[in-house]
Amino acid sequence: NAGVTQTPKFRVLKTGQSMTLLCAQDMNHEYMYWYRQDPGMGLRLIHYSVGEGTTAKGEVPDGYNVSRLKKQNFLLGLESAAPSQTSVYFCASSYELPGINEQFFGPGTRLTVL
Amino acid sequence: AQSVTQLDSQVPVFEEAPVELRCNYSSSVSVYLFWYVQYPNQGLQLLLKYLSGSTLVESINGFEAEFNKSQTSFHLRKPSVHISDTAEYFCAVIANSGTYKYIFGTGTRLKVLA
Repeated sequence: NAGVTQTPKFRVLKTGQSMTLLCAQDMNHEYMYWYRQDPGMGLRLIHYSVGEGTTAKGEVPDGYNVSRLKKQNFLLGLESAAPSQTSVYFCASSYELPGINEQFFGPGTRLTVL
Repeated sequence: AQSVTQLDSQVPVFEEAPVELRCNYSSSVSVYLFWYVQYPNQGLQLLLKYLSGSTLVESINGFEAEFNKSQTSFHLRKPSVHISDTAEYFCAVIANSGTYKYIFGTGTRLKVLA
């Protein structure tokens, strides 16, 4: 049982390049989330999904797109990377009833945009 | 809407000394409250949570937190810290109905000194 995994672990992009971050969970969780973590700002929700085929905007969605084609995977895309998107990205998942059921976090992806 | 305030960005403390990490929240509705811990270069892990019932909740590694509704606080305490407790600690809240969105504080970096 691997829990929540994220690929890649590190990435350096040039401004304007695109990339996709992959999150996978093997716990059959319904809900999945993408956060970004920046110094002094805690975690901010980018997008989330309440089930296969669904996505919704979080607190800071601009510049990102997501897809949840399979229940176990949640993809985060950057179409045209900007230096402001330099951050550590965390994926999380949970069973139904968020709050009552804890979120499980992946190890993170450290992204640098030059 | 909910918000979370962690006033202390860093807390240095000597080994075997007690520590308190402060968390205050604001919300117009009832909430669930959480403390997560993040060890260096890792994702977040749930430390403890308050859903209902006893206002004092404990973790398996000696931390405890007390929900104080009148002061809208959920401070984290440990009577005697170890070097291995060095980590960043995040307080989080979620409304207890109608949302999937957690609100995280900005984090408190606990540094345990030998």
